[in-house]
Amino acid sequence: EVQVLESGGGLVQPGGSLRLSCAASGFPFSSYGMSWVRQAPGKGPEWVSAVTTSGDRTYYADSVKGRFTISRDNSKNTQYLQMNNLRAEDTAVYYCAKMQGYFDYWGQGTLVTVSS
Amino acid sequence: EIVLTQSPGTLSLSPGERATLSCRASQSVSNNYLAWYQQKPGQAPRLLIYDASSRATGTPDRFSGSGSGTDFTLTISRLEPEDFAVYYCQQYGGSPRTFGQGTKVEIK
Repeated sequence: EVQVLESGGGLVQPGGSLRLSCAASGFPFSSYGMSWVRQAPGKGPEWVSAVTTSGDRTYYADSVKGRFTISRDNSKNTQYLQMNNLRAEDTAVYYCAKMQGYFDYWGQGTLVTVSS
Repeated sequence: EIVLTQSPGTLSLSPGERATLSCRASQSVSNNYLAWYQQKPGQAPRLLIYDASSRATGTPDRFSGSGSGTDFTLTISRLEPEDFAVYYCQQYGGSPRTFGQGTKVEIK
């Protein structure tokens, strides 16, 4: 059974940093691209970032480029999202998703709240 | 960036009725790379349809996707109680991947 489990969310002040983790199981992790997708309260999902199978290529939404960094450790079946210089508009549930262009498996999400 | 516009915003129907949801793209979606998701309160989105018309594993056959180019449709042939939820379309033919704003299917 495919499972992805996010962790690391929480309350952070504007300008602060947070690192999200996503542990995956039930599929050959190193064979699939992975993504982070976020959903602000009452809004639709927004793709944030993606990483290729080996981690050599990364992609970002314009809204987070230069502030967020995606990475993965295939030996640990885990991907990460380092979020710096956080803004109020980054407040959302952040989902880890297995990616095939579309997102076929999602975690339960971790809430990030940016507020003073 | 491809903008996806879903209509209607809310669909009020009774169990057993047919639901037709629309997703229109601001430009042609390459290879008809369009997916549909279902989301219930407090849950993550769940993939229903990919490549415009292919059902994901576990998607009941009352769900069907159709369309090409800029116009896509999700049809639920006969609504079951568990189908009342919010539905999103998403395109992966262009970069960045984008989602529609959603259609809520509610009980009439």
